[in-house]
Amino acid sequence: GENVEQHPSTLSVQEGDSAVIKCTYSDSASNYFPWYKQELGKGPQLIIDIRSNVGEKKDQRIAVTLNKTAKHFSLHITETQPEDSAVYFCAARDYGQNFVFGPGTRLSVLP
Amino acid sequence: NAGVTQTPKFRVLKTGQSMTLLCAQDMNHEYMYWYRQDPGMGLRLIHYSVGEGTTAKGEVPDGYNVSRLKKQNFLLGLESAAPSQTSVYFCASSSSTNQPQHFGDGTRLSIL
Repeated sequence: GENVEQHPSTLSVQEGDSAVIKCTYSDSASNYFPWYKQELGKGPQLIIDIRSNVGEKKDQRIAVTLNKTAKHFSLHITETQPEDSAVYFCAARDYGQNFVFGPGTRLSVLP
Repeated sequence: NAGVTQTPKFRVLKTGQSMTLLCAQDMNHEYMYWYRQDPGMGLRLIHYSVGEGTTAKGEVPDGYNVSRLKKQNFLLGLESAAPSQTSVYFCASSSSTNQPQHFGDGTRLSIL
């Protein structure tokens, strides 16, 4: 079945810098890749998603890129702010049409 | 607009006790899911439902049962709790498998 790896597991950046989180997946049939942000004590919230017919998608300071050949996708956050501090999860929809999640990246934005 | 609501938020059980976690969604979604979240392991799918009256096993179904008697509710049961079931449990719903899932805020369950 699908396997999703996510790196790094922790990431610290200075406020205003960029942050990049990378995920790889194993099932070449996967075609939908959402990213979630989870704040302490809360459930994951969708922040951006990308489908396999698109190579890049942007929403203000957040962007996601997808390389289907290499089977990896990345989350880019520019001009980071303290409120970006959270745990971020990537996911890939598998052949059974359920989602497999990466283990998460804890992002800390230092003032 | 409440979205996905989970009850209770916290619970402590003794080994061997049983309990039911309730998930309710007000978005008229067909699909509902139960996940568990453990440190360093992301979210793992326990059971899911593709519509009222249906349930299916996910990645880690052992020790859990579910029911979807009403479209808006999805119940997760532990018949005989074990310490290995200590975790944070999340419920999610979606309108289709091609759409993002909406999550509740979780139930933190400790089994002593």
